[in-house]
Amino acid sequence: DGGITQSPKYLFRKEGQNVTLSCEQNLNHDAMYWYRQDPGQGLRLIYYSQIVNDFQKGDIAEGYSVSREKKESFPLTVTSAQKNPTAFYLCASGKFTGELFFGEGSRLTVL
Amino acid sequence: KQEVTQIPAALSVPEGENLVLNCSFTDSAIYNLQWFRQDPGKGLTSLLLIQSSQREQTSGRLNASLDKSSGRSTLYIAASQPGDSATYLCAVEGAGGTSYGKLTFGQGTILTVHP
Repeated sequence: DGGITQSPKYLFRKEGQNVTLSCEQNLNHDAMYWYRQDPGQGLRLIYYSQIVNDFQKGDIAEGYSVSREKKESFPLTVTSAQKNPTAFYLCASGKFTGELFFGEGSRLTVL
Repeated sequence: KQEVTQIPAALSVPEGENLVLNCSFTDSAIYNLQWFRQDPGKGLTSLLLIQSSQREQTSGRLNASLDKSSGRSTLYIAASQPGDSATYLCAVEGAGGTSYGKLTFGQGTILTVHP
């Protein structure tokens, strides 16, 4: 079935560790996005990519890094520089300026 | 900077009621507006997409309108059902400059429909 797959669904990290969240899509979409969701704050854009090998910072990119080596994949690394990484992370894809489709999310907890 | 506000923050209604959720945005230079549904602990599901040149879109019991000049959109849900209980979010995509291709989200309206 076509869709967006995020993994892992739940992730626990010790302080000082980097972790990578996976996002894969088989919808043949050019654009992919990473959002962070915190209670009461809505969704905030971390990074987005319009084409392979190119990506742009969103509103809260500090402490995060991404890569876009394949059209289908847009992994997000939460680095130790991110001061408050505990959150729900959502990956999305779509045709640029079109309807957006979301994965099921990854919940990261820092111990 | 675009800001999106949704009113009310929470709404509780009995089954069968027609209801309206409101979304307002500060910058009318938008490319489109989308309404999403989110169930607890899940991702977002797209409900309706309205292009800036359109006034409304309909899907089943849902109808969304857009008044770009006044910076407002409404989501109308007819004959509400308990299965409609979820958080509803609106998001606008900017039309120019660094906003192009990026969505700004409201904080959502938590809807509870009780039997």
